[in-house]
Amino acid sequence: GENVEQHPSTLSVQEGDSAVIKCTYSDSASNYFPWYKQELGKRPQLIIDIRSNVGEKKDQRIAVTLNKTAKHFSLHITETQPEDSAVYFCAAGVTASNTGKLIFGQGTTLQVKP
Amino acid sequence: NAGVMQNPRHLVRRRGQEARLRCSPMKGHSHVYWYRQLPEEGLKFMVYLQKENIIDESGMPKERFSAEFPKEGPSILRIQQVVRGDSAAYFCASSPVGGEDEQYFGPGTRLTVT
Repeated sequence: GENVEQHPSTLSVQEGDSAVIKCTYSDSASNYFPWYKQELGKRPQLIIDIRSNVGEKKDQRIAVTLNKTAKHFSLHITETQPEDSAVYFCAAGVTASNTGKLIFGQGTTLQVKP
Repeated sequence: NAGVMQNPRHLVRRRGQEARLRCSPMKGHSHVYWYRQLPEEGLKFMVYLQKENIIDESGMPKERFSAEFPKEGPSILRIQQVVRGDSAAYFCASSPVGGEDEQYFGPGTRLTVT
């Protein structure tokens, strides 16, 4: 069935270092890959997304890469700051008229130490 | 522009009671998705609805759970005869065009079954 594996489950970095979170997906029809940040007790917030016709996308300190052949996609955060500390979820979906569901990874708890 | 609204934010029910969770999508959005999040886990898709239609309910348990999105009013997720295992955070998300756009999440309803 559809599955998204996310690693690592926890990640601790020093302020200013980079953080990388990796995901793999099983459904080859997936063509939409968003990343969400969730602070404790809060709603998931979309921080960046990428579609299958693009290999890389960047937004300030955040970048996402996609390898459709290998079914891998990754989130890269550079120059991390303490406010980046949160749980990050990757997801994979198929953009089509009859389904909009996202399959989420298990989450990565990122801790940025000042 | 108000975001996705959910109420109640916290709901306590005894085993065997019914739980009703409400979701009002963002203005201009006509597609709603419900997800369930167990403690320290990722979000699991439950159901995708458009106004007056269930589009994809592949993630809904076969019994006790139902969802609707009437022509007027919020989307409702209904859980009958709740059990302890139903305790979780239930998030809804909305998008302007189903399956083709970003999903924006509400603040969630935290259901506790005692």
